[in-house]
Amino acid sequence: EPEVTQTPSHQVTQMGQEVILRCVPISNHLYFYWYRQILGQKVEFLVSFYNNEISEKSEIFDDQFSVERPDGSNFTLKIRSTKLEDSAMYFCASRQGGPYNEQFFGPGTRLTVL
Amino acid sequence: LAKTTQPISMDSYEGQEVNITCSHNNIATNDYITWYQQFPSQGPRFIIQGYKTKVTNEVASLFIPADRKSSTLSLPRVSLSDTAVYYCLVGLSNFGNEKLTFGTGTRLTIIP
Repeated sequence: EPEVTQTPSHQVTQMGQEVILRCVPISNHLYFYWYRQILGQKVEFLVSFYNNEISEKSEIFDDQFSVERPDGSNFTLKIRSTKLEDSAMYFCASRQGGPYNEQFFGPGTRLTVL
Repeated sequence: LAKTTQPISMDSYEGQEVNITCSHNNIATNDYITWYQQFPSQGPRFIIQGYKTKVTNEVASLFIPADRKSSTLSLPRVSLSDTAVYYCLVGLSNFGNEKLTFGTGTRLTIIP
């Protein structure tokens, strides 16, 4: 069964450093998403991406964040200058589109900012 | 966006049927009801989606009364591996690019 993959599984970084989280969505999917979940809290929407542009972004997704689909397979989330409060699990999700609106989530990247 | 209310936690014994009810009084005409499951340190996983009456798949059943102001996720004969957080979401439709809005969910613990 096709699945969303994410790398790395765990990233440790120093405050102020840039990180790039990588995702490979399911190959025939058209819609892509990033969510995050701070330990013990809700899953929160960050951004959605379709047709090579951002469709919607939340208040969390400020100028420190950016997304890119650099080639036909990868979908990346970049945090330019990490803060302590960016420590969380980051989940990528993808959706096929059309009548199929189930979002498939990846296993997540645990980001720890020291 | 329709707000949902579900129990914070539930316990059940292995082998029993578990029913988790979600209230969504402000559901809109175009809204679907979707349930996701999340294990610790994993991404949420789609379980089932419905619009009205009853939907069943290989994992669960979803019961939606005629007024659609609530829904019940039914897990038949649960096992220890069903211990997870279950989220009820309302607002997805078959069109558009809507984000998922998760609440706090119901933490289901299966007891041996």
